[in-house]
Amino acid sequence: GQQLNQSPQSMFIQEGEDVSMNCTSSSIFNTWLWYKQDPGEGPVLLIALYKAGELTSNGRLTAQFGITRKDSFLNISASIPSDVGIYFCAGRSSDYKLSFGAGTTVTVRA
Amino acid sequence: ETGVTQTPRHLVMGMTNKKSLKCEQHLGHNAMYWYKQSAKKPLELMFVYSLEERVENNSVPSRFSPECPNSSHLFLHLHTLQPEDSALYLCASRDPGTQGPLHFGNGTRLTVT
Repeated sequence: GQQLNQSPQSMFIQEGEDVSMNCTSSSIFNTWLWYKQDPGEGPVLLIALYKAGELTSNGRLTAQFGITRKDSFLNISASIPSDVGIYFCAGRSSDYKLSFGAGTTVTVRA
Repeated sequence: ETGVTQTPRHLVMGMTNKKSLKCEQHLGHNAMYWYKQSAKKPLELMFVYSLEERVENNSVPSRFSPECPNSSHLFLHLHTLQPEDSALYLCASRDPGTQGPLHFGNGTRLTVT
């Protein structure tokens, strides 16, 4: 798969804050996916994006498929304690190969 | 209940043991995957089966041996593993040939002693 750069690697957030993370690639993707993984569990799909420029929301989560098709971001609004976990981006190229970022670990500051 | 079920959830094995990981999906998908997840690293694709045929093998050592007897079941047979093989092993499924996302199981946490 392609190399995806996901940032930040980790973040501490204050309850109620809005936070943002992003993924960039040197290659074009046809699909961007955002997953969340809780401790001891597998990744769960949050948002799927299929079209450049697409902006999709899922509750307090919003993700966008970058217009260049080489990047995507995920926003979490009004963060709550259960938002802790590891967030992964994944991009699928035209040959259907899926590449994953290394994850953003989110911890809520008490 | 997740549509993809993995057993066991935890496994501790010695380097000379032989064990198997099992995955079962109830989503009607035709493609199944094995991934290895190590801390702070991207998910590493190991094997892909589509319609029970292995279509991808990402240079995985032969001490890992997959088996897909039907489109709902996937196994990963393990033998003479090394301590560096300790990781979370994730199974996933999807509809091949579409843009549909992967659906993951909860993984097997493997520790090789």
